[in-house]
Amino acid sequence: AQTVTQSQPEMSVQEAETVTLSCTYDTSESDYYLFWYKQPPSRQMILVIRQEAYKQQNATENRFSVNFQKAAKSFSLKISDSQLGDAAMYFCAYNNNDMRFGAGTRLTVKP
Amino acid sequence: NAGVTQTPKFQVLKTGQSMTLQCAQDMNHEYMSWYRQDPGMGLRLIHYSVGAGITDQGEVPNGYNVSRSTTEDFPLRLLSAAPSQTSVYFCASSYPAGGDEQYFGPGTRLTVT
Repeated sequence: AQTVTQSQPEMSVQEAETVTLSCTYDTSESDYYLFWYKQPPSRQMILVIRQEAYKQQNATENRFSVNFQKAAKSFSLKISDSQLGDAAMYFCAYNNNDMRFGAGTRLTVKP
Repeated sequence: NAGVTQTPKFQVLKTGQSMTLQCAQDMNHEYMSWYRQDPGMGLRLIHYSVGAGITDQGEVPNGYNVSRSTTEDFPLRLLSAAPSQTSVYFCASSYPAGGDEQYFGPGTRLTVT
């Protein structure tokens, strides 16, 4: 079965600084999707960024970008110019008709 | 569009009681799924459906039943609630089936005493 590992239970960043959240996954498939979801205290799951495995180019969404290393099965999230509103739980997820989530990283942003 | 809606938002059950968590989407999505989220863990897939009349088990299906009679609705039934089923439950949907981004409902917090 596919597994997703987030090795950082908690991370902290100073406002306006850059932080990188790590994610690795295990699969034997060649075609799949990867995601980062944000979960604020409201509990709502919010999509941050998505990556299609067949695309070599790393996805970017404004201040959010990923470093997708398919051979290494690594999918890290970089948040630039961190803002107080970025504080939340962040979940890495793998999807190939059977979505799997990592355990999450709690991000704190210090003013 | 309302997106994905879930009812109720909160529920307290006694051990052995049964109940149904409701989920509906108005985006004409083929794929719908149920997850549970426990403290310190990510979301885990309970059951999913790739279309009306078709359901399948996910990672943690025991103690739960689902059916999909329409494209819009995907209820989750707890047949005999146990304290181990205390969790936050999320419903999600996507189009096309399964592989891409999923849209999540707001969640239901269930406590079994």
